[in-house]
Amino acid sequence: EVKLQQSGDELVRPGASVKMSCKASGYTFTDYAMHWVKQSPGQGLEWIGTIIPLIDTTSYNQKFKGKATLTADKSSNTAYMELSRLTSEDSAVYYCARSSSYIYWGQGVMVTVSS
Amino acid sequence: DVVMTQTPPSLSVAIGQSVSISCKSSQSLVYSDGKTYLHWLLQSSGRSPKRLIYQVSNLDSGVPDRFSGTGSQKDFTLKISRVEAKDLGVYYCAQTTHFPDTFGAGTKLELK
Repeated sequence: EVKLQQSGDELVRPGASVKMSCKASGYTFTDYAMHWVKQSPGQGLEWIGTIIPLIDTTSYNQKFKGKATLTADKSSNTAYMELSRLTSEDSAVYYCARSSSYIYWGQGVMVTVSS
Repeated sequence: DVVMTQTPPSLSVAIGQSVSISCKSSQSLVYSDGKTYLHWLLQSSGRSPKRLIYQVSNLDSGVPDRFSGTGSQKDFTLKISRVEAKDLGVYYCAQTTHFPDTFGAGTKLELK
């Protein structure tokens, strides 16, 4: 069974950074890209970027360049996303999803930026 | 970026009714391989999105045939026949033909 297990919800201060994880199981991690998607409160879905774990190649939505950094650890089948210089606009739920098929999603990480 | 325009933003429906949701893209979604990468997702309350239909009209495993997807180029429709309570939530269209992937704003299906 394919599963994407994301790390827990985060409460962070403005200006800080946060790093979240997405641990994959049930398939060969390096066979698929991992996408990250943002859902702001009461809003729709925005594609942040993707990482191809096999070759450690990333691609970002222009809007999130400089904000999000995607990495992957093949030894632990885990993808990571770090968000930097957080503001209230970054308060959202962040999902990982396996490839552009969007069949498999993590459960989401709620990030709340507040002082 | 390709803009995905979904209408209506919300729908109130009685159980057993049929509904249609429209999704229009700002560019043709036909890829160079001839396929059209337009998908439909459902997000039930408090849950992660779930894909229902891929490449316009192909139902994912376990999705009842009350759901159907049609369309081509820039104009697509999701139809739900005989709505059931478990169909309620927010429906999104998504295109993965062009970089970056983009999503419609969603259509909230709720009970009348």
